[in-house]
Amino acid sequence: NAGVTQTPKFRVLKTGQSMTLLCAQDMNHEYMYWYRQDPGMGLRLIHYSVGEGTTAKGEVPDGYNVSRLKKQNFLLGLESAAPSQTSVYFCASRTGGQSNEQFFGPGTRLTVL
Amino acid sequence: AQKITQTQPGMFVQEKEAVTLDCTYDTSDPSYGLFWYKQPSSGEMIFLIYQGSYDQQNATEGRYSLNFQKARKSANLVISASQLGDSAMYFCAMRGSTGGFKTIFGAGTRLFVKA
Repeated sequence: NAGVTQTPKFRVLKTGQSMTLLCAQDMNHEYMYWYRQDPGMGLRLIHYSVGEGTTAKGEVPDGYNVSRLKKQNFLLGLESAAPSQTSVYFCASRTGGQSNEQFFGPGTRLTVL
Repeated sequence: AQKITQTQPGMFVQEKEAVTLDCTYDTSDPSYGLFWYKQPSSGEMIFLIYQGSYDQQNATEGRYSLNFQKARKSANLVISASQLGDSAMYFCAMRGSTGGFKTIFGAGTRLFVKA
């Protein structure tokens, strides 16, 4: 049971380049989330999904797109990276029910030059 | 709109003493859940404790307890008998019952445990 995995672990981009971050979970969770973590700002929700084929905007969705074509995968895309998107990105998943905690991936450290 | 506020950027505590980390929240949802997570320097996020808005008793998990005061909209984390391994960032989070059950986090409190 791998839990929540994220690919890649580190990445350096130049301004204007695009990339996709992959999150995969093997726990059959319905809900999946993408957060970014910046110093002094905690985790901010970018996008989330309540099930396969559905996505919704979080607190800071601009500049990002997501897709949930398969239940176990949640992809985060940056179409044209900007230095302001330099951050650590965390994916999380959970089962339904208000009380269930989120399980987090190890994070992806992204630097945009 | 939902909001989580953690007003203590950093806290120091002596080993073996108790410490309280503050968290206040704002929501108009009739039902909601409150969570605390720990993030050690290694970076992973570790779930600590959960409190439901309709729970009559404060949640406890080992050395962790949640001091829930609904009228004040506060959900403070109490760590008893602090250990050196408790040094970490601590995040308070809230999940509402509307708006897709998204979970939002506070800015965090960095706890330093002194030997």
